[in-house]
Amino acid sequence: ETGVTQSPTHLIKTRGQQVTLRCSSQSGHNTVSWYQQALGQGPQFIFQYYREEENGRGNFPPRFSGLQFPNYSSELNVNALELDDSALYLCASGIGGGSRTDTQYFGPGTRLTVL
Amino acid sequence: KQEVTQIPAALSVPEGENLVLNCSFTDSAIYNLQWFRQDPGKGLTSLLLIQSSQREQTSGRLNASLDKSSGRSTLYIAASQPGDSATYLCAASNSGYALNFGKGTSLLVTP
Repeated sequence: ETGVTQSPTHLIKTRGQQVTLRCSSQSGHNTVSWYQQALGQGPQFIFQYYREEENGRGNFPPRFSGLQFPNYSSELNVNALELDDSALYLCASGIGGGSRTDTQYFGPGTRLTVL
Repeated sequence: KQEVTQIPAALSVPEGENLVLNCSFTDSAIYNLQWFRQDPGKGLTSLLLIQSSQREQTSGRLNASLDKSSGRSTLYIAASQPGDSATYLCAASNSGYALNFGKGTSLLVTP
């Protein structure tokens, strides 16, 4: 069983730039979710993808967008980076049927720093 | 909007002690509740998942309970060990896919 992997591990960007973070789901999983975790806070739900379409979205602006590929890997894109986007970005995969996902398995995260 | 609160924010106990971590949530119409462990700077490790129809789940030295009517869940850790030191996060799901997390309880188990 392969786990959830994310790349890169760390990233430093400048305000206004764009960034793409990548996630490879656990084998057999068909949903991918992204979370943002600021320092000292719990993770905040950004969105989930199922069958390559956005299945639900948290309270994040449109400059946060994503893609899910047929092999269930996923990307999180953030445009016009702001200082407050500095956080640990977590990807989680699971098995879902469109409206339900049970246990979610998290990757190690990408630490994004915006200067 | 689901709000999840965890008390205490930090806890320090001597090795061997039994302990309880608390989680409360505002919307009782949850689909499931999940407990996670997070080591510093790392991702989350799923510990236990309790479906809305269940009252508790057990895994080794861990036991999690769920009381939807009172909006509470507890994580019981028996015979704590220094390796249990980590942040423990509770997450409630109303949608079935989006997890609403608390801020976590930082646990330190001293030898």
